Amino acid sequence: EVQLLESGGGLGQPGGSLRLSCAASGFTFSSYGMTWVRQTPGKGLEWVSSISGSGGSTYYADSVKGRFTISRDNSKNTLFLQMNSLRAEDTAVYYCAKKPPAVADVGPYFDYWGQGTLVTVSS
Amino acid sequence: EIVMTQSPATLSVSPGERATLSCRASQSVSSNLAWYQQKPGQAPRLLIYGASTRATGIPVRFSGSGSGTEFTLAISSLQSEDFALYYCQQYYNWPRTFGQGTKVEIK
Repeated sequence: EVQLLESGGGLGQPGGSLRLSCAASGFTFSSYGMTWVRQTPGKGLEWVSSISGSGGSTYYADSVKGRFTISRDNSKNTLFLQMNSLRAEDTAVYYCAKKPPAVADVGPYFDYWGQGTLVTVSS
Repeated sequence: EIVMTQSPATLSVSPGERATLSCRASQSVSSNLAWYQQKPGQAPRLLIYGASTRATGIPVRFSGSGSGTEFTLAISSLQSEDFALYYCQQYYNWPRTFGQGTKVEIK
């Protein structure tokens, strides 16, 4: 059974940093591109970043480019999102999501999602 | 960036009736369109990909259609568990973008 479990959310200071993790199980992690998607009440679902199975290709939304870094440790089946220079508008529930099998693209659509971790940026 | 626009924002439907949700892309996305269902406190669940292919385990009452810029999700006979939020998402290019959602509520 595929499981994705996010952690690392919480209260962050404006200008500060947080690191999110997503522990994966139930599939061959290194074979799948992974993605972070965030959700706010006001803006709905927003794609944040994707990474290929090897980690060699990464993609970022303009809103986080230069501030967030996606990475993965395939030996530990874990996906990360390093969030720096936090802003109030980064406040959201952050989901990690897995790409489907038999699709060449890094992160077209997402067949499994974690339950999310809440990030609140406030002083 | 491709803007996805869903309509209506809220759809009131009686159980057993048919629901039709619309999603429009600001430019052609071919058939690179997915639909998700989300219930309160839960993560989104993949319903449809490739505009019309049901994901694993999705009941046949859910159907998707369309290509280019106009897409439809139909639920043939609404069950109690179908009252939820529905989102479309394009994966024709980067950045991936979602619609703002349609809430299907009990009439």
